[in-house]
Amino acid sequence: EVQLVESGGDLVQPGGSLRLSCAASGFDFGTFGMTWVRQAPGKGLEWISYISDIGNAVYHAVSLMGRLTVSRDNAKNSLYLQIDNLRHEDTAVYYCAREARSSGFQGHFDYWGQGILVTVSS
Amino acid sequence: DIQMTQSPSTLSASVGDRVTITCRASESIRSWLAWYQQKPGKAPKPLVYKASSLESGVPSRFSGSGSGTEFNLTISSLQPDDFATYYCQQYDSYWTFGQGTKVEIK
Repeated sequence: EVQLVESGGDLVQPGGSLRLSCAASGFDFGTFGMTWVRQAPGKGLEWISYISDIGNAVYHAVSLMGRLTVSRDNAKNSLYLQIDNLRHEDTAVYYCAREARSSGFQGHFDYWGQGILVTVSS
Repeated sequence: DIQMTQSPSTLSASVGDRVTITCRASESIRSWLAWYQQKPGKAPKPLVYKASSLESGVPSRFSGSGSGTEFNLTISSLQPDDFATYYCQQYDSYWTFGQGTKVEIK
């Protein structure tokens, strides 16, 4: 069974940093692209970051460019997201998700974690 | 960036109704479109990919159609479990979600 479990969410002061983790199991982690999606309270879904299967391709949403670092450790079946210079508007539930295999250049997201809350407040 | 616009934002319907949600892309995304269902406090659940392919285990009352810039998600006979928020997502160029359509009980 595919499982994705996020951790590392916390209450953080504005200007601080946070590192989220996503532990994967039930599939060959090192052969799938992985992504992060966030959802502010009462709002819609926002894709924010992607890393390819072996980590040689990384994409970030333009709105967060320069504040995100995505990485993975395929030996540990783990995905990470560091967010720097946190702002109030970064308050959201953060989901990790698996990119589905696709006949195209990119895939949709076929498995999601349960999400982890990050609150930015003084 | 490709923008995705869903309509309506809210849809009031009754059990048994046929409902259709529309998603428009700001430029052609060919057929690289997915639909997700999300319930409060839960992660999104994929329903449809490549515009019209149903994910495994998704009931056949759900169907997707369209290509290019206009897409639809149709629920042929709304069931109590279907009251939720639905999002479209393009994956032709990076990834972008629509703003969501809440299907509520009439």
